[in-house]
Parts: sequence; structure tokens; C-alpha cells
Amino acid sequence: DADVTQTPRNRITKTGKRIMLECSQTKGHDRMYWYRQDPGLGLRLIYYSFDVKDINKGEISDGYSVSRQAQAKFSLSLESAIPNQTALYFCATSDSPREGQFFGPGTRLTVL
Amino acid sequence: GQSLEQPSEVTAVEGAIVQINCTYQTSGFYGLSWYQQHDGGAPTFLSYNALDGLEETGRFSSFLSRSDSYGYLLLQELQMKDSASYFCAVRRDGANNLFFGTGTRLTVIP
Repeated sequence: DADVTQTPRNRITKTGKRIMLECSQTKGHDRMYWYRQDPGLGLRLIYYSFDVKDINKGEISDGYSVSRQAQAKFSLSLESAIPNQTALYFCATSDSPREGQFFGPGTRLTVL
Repeated sequence: GQSLEQPSEVTAVEGAIVQINCTYQTSGFYGLSWYQQHDGGAPTFLSYNALDGLEETGRFSSFLSRSDSYGYLLLQELQMKDSASYFCAVRRDGANNLFFGTGTRLTVIP
């Protein structure tokens, strides 16, 4: 089984719809992250969490919200999706900087 | 402002050595990481340098010079499977939050 899983893997939705992307991990890491990847822009941090009670905004949090339901689960919501939120979304976990961050397989979101 | 600069594309021959450079300008610096991403795949961690010098992991090595705000990833004995995008990322604070560069697309040719 994969250490970090994301659902759904692909999603097409319409402008104005509410969307939730889910992330689960079995690595036992406290730190979890949501990134967005756009062509030519690399990965940009949306939100991060160090534990269930600790949620922090990243570089591009506007238009997004998150929920840390448990140590293993971290969800990203788009309250009212807009076309420029079309992107590839990655969840990641980490423990030690020396071991890096572990990424899920990604969710490709298209907002029409 | 904060920035990470790396070449957008590099092409190299199978069996050769290639170096991908990264220069950074960030408000804080704790270390430099490198990630590999194949088309359609997730980024995977390659290396982390917190101190000046060279770190070697098999065919891959990573170098950091904090005084020059510069690092590089060195790939030796290139294989076709090394064709991928490579991202440098700065750890800017005591947490493991990363600021990523825009990536270098490496193409290995026969």
C-alpha cells in the first residue's frame, strides 16, 4: 500500500462548486502539506499542519481551506472553485528535513 | 523578494555527467533540497544539504555553498530513466517548509 494516498486522482468540476480533496498517510508523520503545481511555476505551498490543532497558511492560501481530521488525514477544500484553480495538487508529509517530504500521487483538478 | 533560479532545460548524453545549478535568494535559509519528478508522477526526494560541501548518494551528488547562495545537483553515469524534472527547494525556517524553484527538465539522449 502507498504511504501517502490522495482522492480523487482526477476531478472535473464547474465554476462555483465546492470541492474537497483528501489525503491520507500511513507514515506516522505529524507534518502534512498541500501544494499546487502549475506548468512552469514549480510547487507552491497552500497550507501546512504540524498536528491536528496546528494549521498554517502557505504562500497561496486565498480561495482554499483545510481540515486536519486526524494525524493521518488532511483535506483541502475549494469553497467556490474558479478556473484559475485548475492545477495539479499534491499532498506531502514529513518528519525530518534530512529525509525530505513524501508526496502523494497528486490530484488533477480541472475547473470549467 | 525571494527567488530560486535554475536552468529550465538541460540535455545530456547517456553515460555522461550533468550538473544542474541552483542559486537562491530567500529571507531565511536552513538548507537546500533536491527533488526528482517524472512526467505524470509525484516529486521524490533526492538529497538535503544543510552545511557547505558535497553529499553523495550513489550516482547523485549535491553541493552547497552558503556564502555564495548556490548549490548544484550532479548526476553521473546518466541513464535514460534519469530524464525527468529536477527541483531545488530551500528550507526557509525551523519547520520543514520548502520554497521550490521552477524546475529543470533534463533530457537524456542516446
